Amino acid sequence: GAGVSQSPSNKVTEKGKDVELRCDPISGHTALYWYRQSLGQGLEFLIYFQGNSAPDKSGLPSDRFSAERTGGSVSTLTIQRTQQEDSAVYLCASSLRTSGGVTDTQYFGPGTRLTVL
Amino acid sequence: AQSVTQLGSHVSVSEGALVLLRCNYSSSVPPYLFWYVQYPNQGLQLLLKYTSAATLVKGINGFEAEFKKSETSFHLTKPSAHMSDAAEYFCAVSGNTGFQKLVFGTGTRLLVSP
Repeated sequence: GAGVSQSPSNKVTEKGKDVELRCDPISGHTALYWYRQSLGQGLEFLIYFQGNSAPDKSGLPSDRFSAERTGGSVSTLTIQRTQQEDSAVYLCASSLRTSGGVTDTQYFGPGTRLTVL
Repeated sequence: AQSVTQLGSHVSVSEGALVLLRCNYSSSVPPYLFWYVQYPNQGLQLLLKYTSAATLVKGINGFEAEFKKSETSFHLTKPSAHMSDAAEYFCAVSGNTGFQKLVFGTGTRLLVSP
């Protein structure tokens, strides 16, 4: 079956512009995660969605970052007024569920490489 | 709080030699532990995971790892390296109940020479 897909694969933008990054999780996966991979910070958790519950936004680095998940499936990560330090690879992952006593495997997409000039 | 330390940002081995990538973790709750591999310009692929069953975990591509609570370690090994194993490897830790984000180490790049 299809894995996690992300678009675009590459995005180059100018400082101060807004960008939207898209993630299509594996069909049937109720949990969705965003991570960021950068040279200076390594792999960092950003935000987590589980079903219809309120998302866990504890990893978002600033209020310029937001994400939504429509219909429990596709997710969009939005970065407003981009800064050069936002340059990174943004990875999306999905898992079948998270529930008491079980942490399901997270499957990762290929990422979106964001370059802010 | 949880954290992972991967010793060695780069490890070089010859083809056919033993691969040993080190990972030590810190966790205030019983951990789940993971090894992921990342090939150039690709996402992360799960190699293996420890979820409190057997302490010796076998994964894909001939890799295995052993959970040692007394040493807080989860080192990754492979008896004989192949050229195709050249990639970056990430160790990660999470808790074992409810929502659990992955906390990653800084990664180890494995270089395999002929």
